[in-house]
Amino acid sequence: EAGVTQFPSHSVIEKGQTVTLRCDPISGHDNLYWYRRVMGKEIKFLLHFVKESKQDESGMPNNRFLAERTGGTYSTLKVQPAELEDSGVYFCASSQQGLVGYTFGSGTRLTVV
Amino acid sequence: ILNVEQSPQSLHVQEGDSTNFTCSFPSSNFYALHWYRWETAKSPEALFVMTLNGDEKKKGRISATLNTKEGYSYLYIKGSQPEDSATYLCASPRNSGNTPLVFGKGTRLSVIA
Repeated sequence: EAGVTQFPSHSVIEKGQTVTLRCDPISGHDNLYWYRRVMGKEIKFLLHFVKESKQDESGMPNNRFLAERTGGTYSTLKVQPAELEDSGVYFCASSQQGLVGYTFGSGTRLTVV
Repeated sequence: ILNVEQSPQSLHVQEGDSTNFTCSFPSSNFYALHWYRWETAKSPEALFVMTLNGDEKKKGRISATLNTKEGYSYLYIKGSQPEDSATYLCASPRNSGNTPLVFGKGTRLSVIA
């Protein structure tokens, strides 16, 4: 079974630019989550999709962040315009409805300069 | 608000030493406790999911215990090896079901050969 795949693995952009991160969850996993880890701090929740619906977006920092999951398959997280404080590792995870356990991707390391 | 705390923040041990670290969480409204092992640029790897008070789980040289009444879990590594060097994360879901995880900051373990 393929794991959770994230692309790109690294991205360096200038302040004010736009970046789009992609996550491909495990096939059949209805639940998809975005998290972010800023250096030295804990991994923090951003957003939870159930299929194509946003179940919980209470962790999204502000309206510069836009997440989509069209068709309930892969998801994208767009940051526009990027700010310096957006730097960090963005993780995606997926889980199967009704089962305990979350599978994480290897993350996208975003650096805003 | 669910707070998950981990200690120590970092730990250096000699190869062959055994070690342990702590995860603390509120004892009320407890649903589950997840332990992950994370190496930079890789996916956090699920080690254990624990739900019942008194649970003890083991995976090779790594084991974990859970005390939900007092709100803590211990992770033990017996006979540490250099390949055990990683950040160990614990996390607890906000609610039952497939709700998002709240993470501690992690314990960064370095095993010196």
